[in-house]
Amino acid sequence: GIQVEQSPPDLILQEGANSTLRCNFSDSVNNLQWFHQNPWGQLINLFYIPSGTKQNGRLSATTVATERYSLLYISSSQTTDSGVYFCAVSFFNKFYFGSGTKLNVKP
Amino acid sequence: DADVTQTPRNRITKTGKRIMLECSQTKGHDRMYWYRQDPGLGLRLIYYSFDVKDINKGEISDGYSVSRQAQAKFSLSLESAIPNQTALYFCASSDRYNEQFFGPGTRLTVL
Repeated sequence: GIQVEQSPPDLILQEGANSTLRCNFSDSVNNLQWFHQNPWGQLINLFYIPSGTKQNGRLSATTVATERYSLLYISSSQTTDSGVYFCAVSFFNKFYFGSGTKLNVKP
Repeated sequence: DADVTQTPRNRITKTGKRIMLECSQTKGHDRMYWYRQDPGLGLRLIYYSFDVKDINKGEISDGYSVSRQAQAKFSLSLESAIPNQTALYFCASSDRYNEQFFGPGTRLTVL
């Protein structure tokens, strides 16, 4: 299967700071999604982004499929951004998740 | 109402018991999936189904079975639960473009 690596594994920010999370994958993929798992365990869809750039409020994402990576940008972080951020890729209709980036935003 | 629902949300059972986790979706998707998540790790695919007559094993299917009762319903069974099946279980559905939507999860503890 495909290897999905996320970095950094842990991140501590002061409220208001910006951050960039990275997702590298080992082979060509059909699509890529970013999720936020909140402290209650719920998985929230952030972006469906096989390629290109998308923005949603303070969050944006860029996928460069030819170079096998995706970036998630969080600007002006808030305490509600805390949780784990996962990227997931699909390859021939199977899905592979990274191990996540655990974000802690301090007030 | 949630688009993907799971029941039960929490379950404690004993080793050797049979248990079924149920999933329903109202998104009209053909594709449904079961994953498990262990502490500190990402999700791993157990089984997936692209339509009612199509069932496929995922990365970690041993010890599990599934049933696709209808387009909207996909259940996961543990025939004889063991403690290392203690985990958070997620159901998901997707359209043919594979944008997945997840249920709220079922926290299963096997004693």
